[in-house]
Amino acid sequence: DSGVTQTPKHLITATGQRVTLRCSPRSGDLSVYWYQQSLDQGLQFLIQYYNGEERAKGNILERFSAQQFPDLHSELNLSSLELGDSALYFCASSVGQDSYNEQFFGPGTRLTVL
Amino acid sequence: GQQVMQIPQYQHVQEGEDFTTYCNSSTTLSNIQWYKQRPGGHPVFLIQLVKSGEVKKQKRLTFQFGEAKKNSSLHITATQTTDVGTYFCAGRVGGATNKLIFGTGTLLAVQP
Repeated sequence: DSGVTQTPKHLITATGQRVTLRCSPRSGDLSVYWYQQSLDQGLQFLIQYYNGEERAKGNILERFSAQQFPDLHSELNLSSLELGDSALYFCASSVGQDSYNEQFFGPGTRLTVL
Repeated sequence: GQQVMQIPQYQHVQEGEDFTTYCNSSTTLSNIQWYKQRPGGHPVFLIQLVKSGEVKKQKRLTFQFGEAKKNSSLHITATQTTDVGTYFCAGRVGGATNKLIFGTGTLLAVQP
């Protein structure tokens, strides 16, 4: 158990819909990262927040957005969902803000878009 | 764009055989991290290398960072069934960017 929690574990929805994935980092960690893992794309970095502020951005679509709240939990919002958005979404956390920090991954949310 | 490739994509070994996965970047990396993901699980941090030519060992695992800081390798001696999983390298491209670029991963299967 990494100490990072993600909800829900599974999510099944239809194209065009909007969903919210939630992540709570390890106690004491200020950074939260979001990743998308699909069979053909591997592990893709989406976005990082550090202490409430956006710190780094990866290949995140405009239909996707994220935020980190004062209690440090984070939400990833996916809208106008397409079939290709079906994937495993991981949240990770670390103590510091730079990429030299070890990242602790949560169990993931499996999103299926029908 | 920045890419980190890993070879092989898949390796099947008999228990007791050695295994190596290679990680290659198109650009110089500030650091390399290695993660292991068991089937159905999440990535778990193994180690980080920062210095050019650095070598680190963890029991049967040996990690190397290339002199030019563009490649890395993970070698497992005498594999065990518990080594099964996908091994990812991840590196930070030098400069202002803070993001880790994950490699394509190598899936290791170990036959008892």
